[in-house]
Amino acid sequence: EIVLTQSPATLSLSPGERATLSCRASQSVSSYLAWYQQRPGQAPRLLIYDASDRATGIPARFSGSGSGTDFTLTISSLEPEDFAVYFCQHRSNWPRTFGQGTKLEIK
Amino acid sequence: QVQLVESGGGLVKPGGSLRLSCAASGFTFSDYYIDWVRQAPGKGLEWLSYISSSGSAIMYADSVKGRFTISRDNARNSLYLQMNSLRAEDTAIYYCASPSSESRYFAHWGRGTLVTVSS
Repeated sequence: EIVLTQSPATLSLSPGERATLSCRASQSVSSYLAWYQQRPGQAPRLLIYDASDRATGIPARFSGSGSGTDFTLTISSLEPEDFAVYFCQHRSNWPRTFGQGTKLEIK
Repeated sequence: QVQLVESGGGLVKPGGSLRLSCAASGFTFSDYYIDWVRQAPGKGLEWLSYISSSGSAIMYADSVKGRFTISRDNARNSLYLQMNSLRAEDTAIYYCASPSSESRYFAHWGRGTLVTVSS
C-alpha cells in the first residue's frame, strides 16, 4: 500500500498570503495524484488532478506540481473561503489511498 | 448537473448489517466506474471500494474485504454497499464518489450518509 504523508499537519496563515502544502508518497505514483479541499460539514471537492491539472471551476490561484514521490499544492493568495482541510490522493495502484490531511487555518 | 445521493445510514449494533444506496443522476451512470469512500468523525478520508462501469471488476480495501459487498444496478442508476459484521470502527460518513469526463479521480461526491455502530 502506498502511504501518502502530508505536511504540515496544520498551516496558519493570513488572507492574501501564499500557502504551500506538501504530499510525499512512500513510492512513486508517477503523476497520478489529486488534491481535494474539504470545508466543515461538506463533502470533499476536487481541486487538482494528475498532479497539476485544475479541475473545472477551480480558481487559478490553486496550482499543483510534482511527480514521482513529491508533490505540492500552492495557493497563491489566500481568500477567506480557502481556509479548510486539504487531502492528497493517488490512483497509481490499489488500494487508492489518501493523505491524512493538512488543516489550513486563519492566523 | 451531476447528483449523487446516499441513503441507508443509521444506528446499528456491533455485528449487525446495513445496506447503503447511492442514487445517481445528471450523467450516464452506466458509462462510469464509481467508488465508496468513508470518513470517521474528525478523521481523514478512507477509500473503501470500487466497481467498474459494467460491474465486472471490483476492488476493496483490506479493512472491509470479506465484510462489505459493492454492487450496482445500471437500470436504476444506483450503487449499493452491503455492510455485514459491522464494528465500532466502521462508524463514519459514507460517500459515493465518481469520476467525470474530465478526470478519473473523485470529481463528484454525494453529501454522505452517517453510519453509527454502537451498542
